[in-house]
Amino acid sequence: GAVVSQHPSWVICKSGTSVKIECRSLDFQATTMFWYRQFPKQSLMLMATSNEGSKATYEQGVEKDKFLINHASLTLSTLTVTSAHPEDSSFYICSARATGENIQYFGAGTRLSVL
Amino acid sequence: SQQGEEDPQALSIQEGENATMNCSYKTSINNLQWYRQNSGRGLVHLILIRSNEREKHSGRLRVTLDTSKKSSSLLITASRAADTASYFCATVRGSNYKLTFGKGTLLTVNP
Repeated sequence: GAVVSQHPSWVICKSGTSVKIECRSLDFQATTMFWYRQFPKQSLMLMATSNEGSKATYEQGVEKDKFLINHASLTLSTLTVTSAHPEDSSFYICSARATGENIQYFGAGTRLSVL
Repeated sequence: SQQGEEDPQALSIQEGENATMNCSYKTSINNLQWYRQNSGRGLVHLILIRSNEREKHSGRLRVTLDTSKKSSSLLITASRAADTASYFCATVRGSNYKLTFGKGTLLTVNP
């Protein structure tokens, strides 16, 4: 099956620093990539949708200046959490959709802990 | 926003038993999908059922969809300890491919 690689899997940072998370589709071209946030024992909340070469579409309530998304190629999307604060600590998961497919392939997630 | 509601929130069964999880949603859909998540990991797609389909099978999985009741069920037959995970339903509306996830069911299969 299609593989999506997400790095890093775990990151600890100091408050005020920025953290970049990468999401790569390894064996297919991802027309669309999605970024989710998941709190402990809760469901996934869609943060934004990114299409290659265009600006990301953010869900209501998600600060686009706080969570910068870049989808520079058909195989790579990045999420940068800028000026991270403890309340940004969470599990972030990306997914990718190939052209013509209805399902999403998920990365393994990144656990962010902001001290 | 969360559209789906799964029940039960948690289910504990013995190996070999069947596990049934239900999902309800609020709006019209294009399709409904079930995903599995092992603790602290990403999600794995299990099965997709379109709005014009009523039942679908994949190995030990059986999914039903009742659009009049806006509900779906996932049945896992002859469960195994390795089936222990959280199971989420997710709906797709329109053609934007966005998934709206339910709250999930935590399934524990005891050996």
